[in-house]
Amino acid sequence: GAVVSQHPSWVICKSGTSVKIECRSLDFQATTMFWYRQFPKQSLMLMATSNEGSKATYEQGVEKDKFLINHASLTLSTLTVTSAHPEDSSFYICSAYSRSGELFFGEGSRLTVL
Amino acid sequence: GENVEQHPSTLSVQEGDSAVIKCTYSDSASNYFPWYKQELGKRPQLIIDIRSNVGEKKDQRIAVTLNKTAKHFSLHITETQPEDSAVYFCAVNGNDYKLSFGAGTTVTVRA
Repeated sequence: GAVVSQHPSWVICKSGTSVKIECRSLDFQATTMFWYRQFPKQSLMLMATSNEGSKATYEQGVEKDKFLINHASLTLSTLTVTSAHPEDSSFYICSAYSRSGELFFGEGSRLTVL
Repeated sequence: GENVEQHPSTLSVQEGDSAVIKCTYSDSASNYFPWYKQELGKRPQLIIDIRSNVGEKKDQRIAVTLNKTAKHFSLHITETQPEDSAVYFCAVNGNDYKLSFGAGTTVTVRA
């Protein structure tokens, strides 16, 4: 089946630094990818929609200057958490629709900001 | 986005019994209703989905029913096993193929 891969699976950084998370569709092209954030024991909250070749669209309340999204190719979207702070610590998950219409999720990236 | 309510938030069942989780949604235009299972620290995995042109779908021990008039759908797990213990999320599609998720149900199957 279709596979979405995310890297890194976990990262620890100091407050004030930036962290980049990559999301790849391994066996299909994805013109659109979605980025979710999940706090412990909570649901998945959509942060933004990543569009290949154009600007990402952000959900209400998500700071676009803090969560930079780049979708430079049909198989890669990146999320950069800029000037990370402890409250940004979370599980970040990307997803993409395969050709069959099923939504596949990446493995997720657990970010811990000290 | 779409308003999705999921109940119960926790569910404990004896092994072999059935588990039922219900979700309601607000947008009558929604037409895709997947269910995901998420184990601790892992990605959500699609377990079953249903589209608005059918009322019920079954896959072995798992079934989903949809009532579009009432705008609710349910997940049914029969003959539960310990490996069914996980968090289950319902989801509903909205504009631009975005999925809105329910709050999740933590299912515990007691051996």
